[in-house]
Amino acid sequence: EAQVTQNPRYLITVTGKKLTVTCSQNMNHEYMSWYRQDPGLGLRQIYYSMNVEVTDKGDVPEGYKVSRKEKRNFPLILESPSPNQTSLYFCASTLTGTTSSYEQYFGPGTRLTVT
Amino acid sequence: GDSVTQMEGPVTLSEEAFLTINCTYTATGYPSLFWYVQYPGEGLQLLLKATKADDKGSNKGFEATYRKETTSFHLEKGSVQVSDSAVYFCALSDWGAQKLVFGQGTRLTINP
Repeated sequence: EAQVTQNPRYLITVTGKKLTVTCSQNMNHEYMSWYRQDPGLGLRQIYYSMNVEVTDKGDVPEGYKVSRKEKRNFPLILESPSPNQTSLYFCASTLTGTTSSYEQYFGPGTRLTVT
Repeated sequence: GDSVTQMEGPVTLSEEAFLTINCTYTATGYPSLFWYVQYPGEGLQLLLKATKADDKGSNKGFEATYRKETTSFHLEKGSVQVSDSAVYFCALSDWGAQKLVFGQGTRLTINP
């Protein structure tokens, strides 16, 4: 089954404690992306990756890091989480680099709470 | 920059009612337009899309027409069901862009 998986689904942590949210897709997609969803703001892009070893900032990259060492995986790293990073996070992938033509497939989401 | 504006929610309707969720956009280029749906506890799923002016996207009884003259992409369904209860997002992607730009989402609740 074609899918995007994320782990963990729920996470409660404290300020400053480094964490990683994993994302994996089994569709051999080149393009992967991270979004955060906040009430009244919709989804905003954090980082994206066009292919292995190619990443770039989205609209709200501050406080986040990513890596793309393998085509299927695109982890999101919060080196020193802060309460304003409390949000619902979604990983997405699509076949190729431009998002205008192909459907993006979304993971189930990771709800992060930073206290 | 590009932006998407959706009608404010939440929206509550009775089963079999007619649904319209308004969406307007601003874009510098020639965007593709999308409606995504998010069911409770799940990620977003593509509902329908249109890639050029006057195209109509349709799926599961939902329709939306790409209106360049009014920069709109309103979502409609003739007869909603309880199972349509979800959050609906309008989104755009400019040609060659590396991201989707989302509206704020509209929560829809259908009562039996």
